[in-house]
Amino acid sequence: GAGVSQSPRYKVAKRGQDVALRCDPISGHVSLFWYQQALGQGPEFLTYFQNEAQLDKSGLPSDRFFAERPEGSVSTLKIQRTQQEDSAVYLCASSRPGSRNEQFFGPGTRLTVL
Amino acid sequence: AQSVTQPDIHITVSEGASLELRCNYSYGATPYLFWYVQSPGQGLQLLLKYFSGDTLVQGIKGFEAEFKRSQSSFNLRKPSVHWSDAAEYFCAVRRGTDSWGKLQFGAGTQVVVTP
Repeated sequence: GAGVSQSPRYKVAKRGQDVALRCDPISGHVSLFWYQQALGQGPEFLTYFQNEAQLDKSGLPSDRFFAERPEGSVSTLKIQRTQQEDSAVYLCASSRPGSRNEQFFGPGTRLTVL
Repeated sequence: AQSVTQPDIHITVSEGASLELRCNYSYGATPYLFWYVQSPGQGLQLLLKYFSGDTLVQGIKGFEAEFKRSQSSFNLRKPSVHWSDAAEYFCAVRRGTDSWGKLQFGAGTQVVVTP
């Protein structure tokens, strides 16, 4: 079956604009994660969903970041009033529930804020 | 504080030579340990994982890793690298007690393979 898909793959925004990044997880995967990967760094955890419930948002860097998964499948990460420091690759991963299950990653969305 | 350290930012290796990538972690208890590979424009792909039991684990693409509790290390090895192994490699840990398993990654090691 299809893997995790993300759109758009690339996004250029002017400072102050709002952006929305989409993640389509693998069908049937209950767990969904968002990570942020700055240039030259490893991914950092942002938030976690189990079905439609956002159980952990401890990694969101500010209240400008907001994520949702209203029907328990597709998820959207929204960034309001983008800043240059938001420039990064945003990765989505999905898995079956449980800490031993493999997380499957999407190709990411590269966000550049000018 | 919990941390994952990959001491080598960049490694250059000749095709056919052996490769070892280092990973050290600092966690209160034995975490779950992972190695991922990321090729340009691609998502992260799981190479191997360790939860418990045999400390030498085999993964895909001919990679293996050894967990050494006394050294808090989980180093990745490959006996003979291929040009297609050029990529960035990330070590990651997850608390075994974490019920949903968010990952904490190291900063990565960039591997360059020369002819």
